[in-house]
Amino acid sequence: AQSVTQPDIHITVSEGASLELRCNYSYGATPYLFWYVQSPGQGLQLLLKYFSGDTLVQGIKGFEAEFKRSQSSFNLRKPSVHWSDAAEYFCAVGESNSGYALNFGKGTSLLVTP
Amino acid sequence: ETGVTQSPTHLIKTRGQQVTLRCSSQSGHNTVSWYQQALGQGPQFIFQYYREEENGRGNFPPRFSGLQFPNYSSELNVNALELDDSALYLCASSLGGGGFNQPQHFGDGTRLSIL
Repeated sequence: AQSVTQPDIHITVSEGASLELRCNYSYGATPYLFWYVQSPGQGLQLLLKYFSGDTLVQGIKGFEAEFKRSQSSFNLRKPSVHWSDAAEYFCAVGESNSGYALNFGKGTSLLVTP
Repeated sequence: ETGVTQSPTHLIKTRGQQVTLRCSSQSGHNTVSWYQQALGQGPQFIFQYYREEENGRGNFPPRFSGLQFPNYSSELNVNALELDDSALYLCASSLGGGGFNQPQHFGDGTRLSIL
């Protein structure tokens, strides 16, 4: 089965600073990769996805992610963080062995300080 | 465009009871997926329904069952509730059998607490 690892459980950044959230996946072929964000008490919102082609993908809210096959990584970045970005971030890989399931990492909690 | 709505938002049950959670798909979406999110964890795939048929299932026991109706709304049923079933249950809808080209849109979830 495909899986993702998010090595950082918590990350704290200052407002206006840059952000990088790490995600590593395990899969032999080119995976379907996603980043979702979850605000407290809410469901998940899709930030961006990668299927093929250009390895740098742009998403909503100023986020981008880069697919690096050699490192099995799909890290999420933002050049300047806003206080409203504080949330839980989940990386996911598409698993098509049984339906079209998303296999999520355990998440990274982002805290933004003034 | 109406998004994915789930009901109820919160629910408290005791061990051994049964529960039904409901999900209304986003308008036009014919595929529904259910996920369980335990506290501090990422969501885990329970199963997926496409045009009223189950077309995928995760590693959950048979006491987790579901239905999809002709209007594409869905139910998740859990029998013989256990303490470990306490979690946020998320429903997601999408188009076209759930292929990854069609994004899954999530509801805000139902928080289930088992006492």
